[in-house]
Amino acid sequence: SSELTQEPAVSVALGQTVTITCQGDSLIVHYASWYQQKPGQAPLLVFYGKNSRPSGIPDRFSGSNSRGTASLTITGAQAQDEADYFCNSRDSSGDHVIFGGGTRLTVL
Amino acid sequence: QLQLQESGPGLVKPSETLSLSCTVSGGSISTTPYYWGWIRQSPGKGLEWIGSIHYSGRTYYNPSLESRVTVSVDTSMNQFSLKLRSVTAADTAVYYCARAYASGSYPFDYWGQGTLVTVSS
Repeated sequence: SSELTQEPAVSVALGQTVTITCQGDSLIVHYASWYQQKPGQAPLLVFYGKNSRPSGIPDRFSGSNSRGTASLTITGAQAQDEADYFCNSRDSSGDHVIFGGGTRLTVL
Repeated sequence: QLQLQESGPGLVKPSETLSLSCTVSGGSISTTPYYWGWIRQSPGKGLEWIGSIHYSGRTYYNPSLESRVTVSVDTSMNQFSLKLRSVTAADTAVYYCARAYASGSYPFDYWGQGTLVTVSS
């Protein structure tokens, strides 16, 4: 499969927990990576693989993967977390990169 | 600190070839295990992977663009490049270069700032 599906938009109250999901057949075989993108900026890697967070990314960002669905959880969302979030992985062949359509997160 | 910087024309005429380069500084493009990729984002849209290259020259392309795309690498200049042929208005986008860790989910861990390329006569 060559598609990853994300919710177009999600909202969360300040300080609450929110989960963004990414669904696709290739996620049964491959892990996902997650990116945060703010207006006018390049995407920023915030979580990847089974359980990896790049240096400098707050530990309120976490991820999980369960048979075709990858999830990014923000525990205690902050105002600065308002952004677009994209997932990506490899397709079923493993040779090509695919991106989800993105989820716009609003922090209320 | 690794840095990537895209360069190239910001305006390309329809049917012509879009050419961009990405200069890598703060590290070697020949470092394993990494691939170097191009990703684009049309205005107000999501991210689309164009293709990736290993310093050895091995390439992978998005099947939907493969017939028009060439990605190449120049290890002596610590650069890699993108050529997209026969462009149309649909190719107008911000083009990013990025480094991918070649394992697991192949995360793109370093990105250039992006460069807007407009296709218009």
